[in-house]
Amino acid sequence: DAKTTQPNSMESNEEEPVHLPCNHSTISGTDYIHWYRQLPSQGPEYVIHGLTSNVNNRMASLAIAEDRKSSTLILHRATLRDAAVYYCILRDRKREKLTFGTGTRLTIIP
Amino acid sequence: DTGVSQDPRHKITKRGQNVTFRCDPISEHNRLYWYRQTLGQGPEFLTYFQNEAQLEKSRLLSDRFSAERPKGSFSTLEIQRTEQGDSAMYLCASSGDATNYEQYFGPGTRLTVT
Repeated sequence: DAKTTQPNSMESNEEEPVHLPCNHSTISGTDYIHWYRQLPSQGPEYVIHGLTSNVNNRMASLAIAEDRKSSTLILHRATLRDAAVYYCILRDRKREKLTFGTGTRLTIIP
Repeated sequence: DTGVSQDPRHKITKRGQNVTFRCDPISEHNRLYWYRQTLGQGPEFLTYFQNEAQLEKSRLLSDRFSAERPKGSFSTLEIQRTEQGDSAMYLCASSGDATNYEQYFGPGTRLTVT
């Protein structure tokens, strides 16, 4: 499985945008980029996914580099409830499993 | 309730005992997954079912582990002769009828082996 690299931790102020980076230089043409987050004491929660084009949904935006070797999850206005571990995952379109790394622990400062 | 449920939420057992966990997926989902998560790590894939068929198993799933989904609805994960290294959070997820659909996770079963 292709690997992703994320910072171990990040901090952001409440009500400000947050940009969470992910490097995936060995991404293949059949890999989708998925983001999940895990709030304390809960199971992971789907956030967003994309292949080549930028994507938006009610939770976040996903910006994908033109060469697809990196991506950025954007939370437009962070709230305290967004404090979680965020996982960037490459998922082969023909495979079912998700391969999680250690993710980025996001702390929101009130 | 429309979410994935797991039972029990916590289990403490002594080394050598057998334990069984249950997962009830979202009702219309035909795909079901088991993951294991240890402290400070991301979840690790264990196995995957499409309806009642177990289609993929990780090398992590030793012969002491067995998972079933007899009627394509709920699933059970059994661990025989538990070891201290089995202590972890066991997560179940389900998804709809297409590859790359998002997986919906349950709250997990935390196993402590003493």
